[in-house]
Amino acid sequence: DAGVIQSPRHEVTEMGQEVTLRCKPISGHDYLFWYRQTMMRGLELLIYFNNNVPIDDSGMPEDRFSAKMPNASFSTLKIQPSEPRDSAVYFCASSSTNKWTSRETQYFGPGTRLLVL
Amino acid sequence: TQLLEQSPQFLSIQEGENLTVYCNSSSVFSSLQWYRQEPGEGPVLLVTVVTGGEVKKLKRLTFQFGDARKDSSLHITAAQPGDTGLYLCAGGGNAGNMLTFGGGTRLMVKP
Repeated sequence: DAGVIQSPRHEVTEMGQEVTLRCKPISGHDYLFWYRQTMMRGLELLIYFNNNVPIDDSGMPEDRFSAKMPNASFSTLKIQPSEPRDSAVYFCASSSTNKWTSRETQYFGPGTRLLVL
Repeated sequence: TQLLEQSPQFLSIQEGENLTVYCNSSSVFSSLQWYRQEPGEGPVLLVTVVTGGEVKKLKRLTFQFGDARKDSSLHITAAQPGDTGLYLCAGGGNAGNMLTFGGGTRLMVKP
């Protein structure tokens, strides 16, 4: 089975530009999480969805960040306008409440490494 | 706010040595997970412990959940260069399948 898919794997952009990160969760998973990872702050939860509905976005740093999940197989994280301090690795993860799988286990994508110049 | 503190933050050892990584909190968790992250990849689950006092072994790795379910440890015996990576503990039992992640322990095993 395919794991969590993220694109692009790397993104270099200039300050002020819009950045869109994409994620395809594992089929059948009903939870989707967006994280940001930096050396200074570690792994931070930005937002998570349950059945395509945003449940907790308290980790989203500012209004410049927005996330959507239009259907069960696709989510986006958008930064507009981007700033140098947004440079980080952004991970998408999914999990399932299916009784046949280990609840709370999160399956991470390979991440998008973002550099804002 | 639930917090998980990991120690040490960095560890550099020679191949063949033993090591222990700690994950501590003042909060109780219903489960504790350990992930390993290799450079350029996302974290991958190693083990989940759910019962206070539980011990699980995965080859040379031994995981223990504290009796009060507030802390955990990871012990690696005879470390190998392939064990190099970032080790993250994560506490479960939050709303909505959320996990509380620790800050991580960055391990380097030199040949």
